[in-house]
Amino acid sequence: QVQLQESGPGLVKPSETLSLTCTVSGGSISSYYWNWIRQPPGKGLEWIGYIFYSGSTNYNPSLKSRVTISLDTSKNQFSLKLSSVTAADTAVYYCARGRGPQGYWGQGTLVTVSS
Amino acid sequence: EIVLTQSPGTLSLSPGEGATLSCRASQSVSGSYLAWYQQKPGQPPRLLIYGASSRATGIPDRFSGSGSGTDFTLTISRLEPEDFVVYYCQQYGGSPWTFGQGTKVVIK
Repeated sequence: QVQLQESGPGLVKPSETLSLTCTVSGGSISSYYWNWIRQPPGKGLEWIGYIFYSGSTNYNPSLKSRVTISLDTSKNQFSLKLSSVTAADTAVYYCARGRGPQGYWGQGTLVTVSS
Repeated sequence: EIVLTQSPGTLSLSPGEGATLSCRASQSVSGSYLAWYQQKPGQPPRLLIYGASSRATGIPDRFSGSGSGTDFTLTISRLEPEDFVVYYCQQYGGSPWTFGQGTKVVIK
């Protein structure tokens, strides 16, 4: 059974870079599409972007200038970096597997942007 | 960007009743690439339906999806107590993938 687990700081200062890692267990990362999706407290879902196992990426244009998603196949992990964060980036960040329908999700990690 | 509008925002029903949730797209969704998710409090979304009408693995048959083009529907035939949560639609026919704002099903 594939499992995903997000990790990273729960608090980030405004203007700094948010960095999260998703560790995949129970299956190889060297296949499939790997996504980051976020959900502000009490609100809906926003797709941030994905990385394919080949390394190709696709980002939401609304965040594209600030987002980088990368892959580390040796560790079976993929990562998210979001630069120049503001309070509007406060959200639960999920990693998920799938191109389009995401069938496997991590439990999510809350990242708060505050000084 | 394809905007998805879900209605109603809140649906008030009793256990055992049927529920009909709507998802309308601002433009046609290519290939009927429309998914439905269920989200319980404090949990990640759970995939229910993909390709507009295919049930994901392990999903009870009381959940069904239909529609094409710009109009899609999630039907829950008989509401169980655990079904009173939030449902989201998602289109993945065009980038960026987008979600509706959600429909909350509450106990009447």
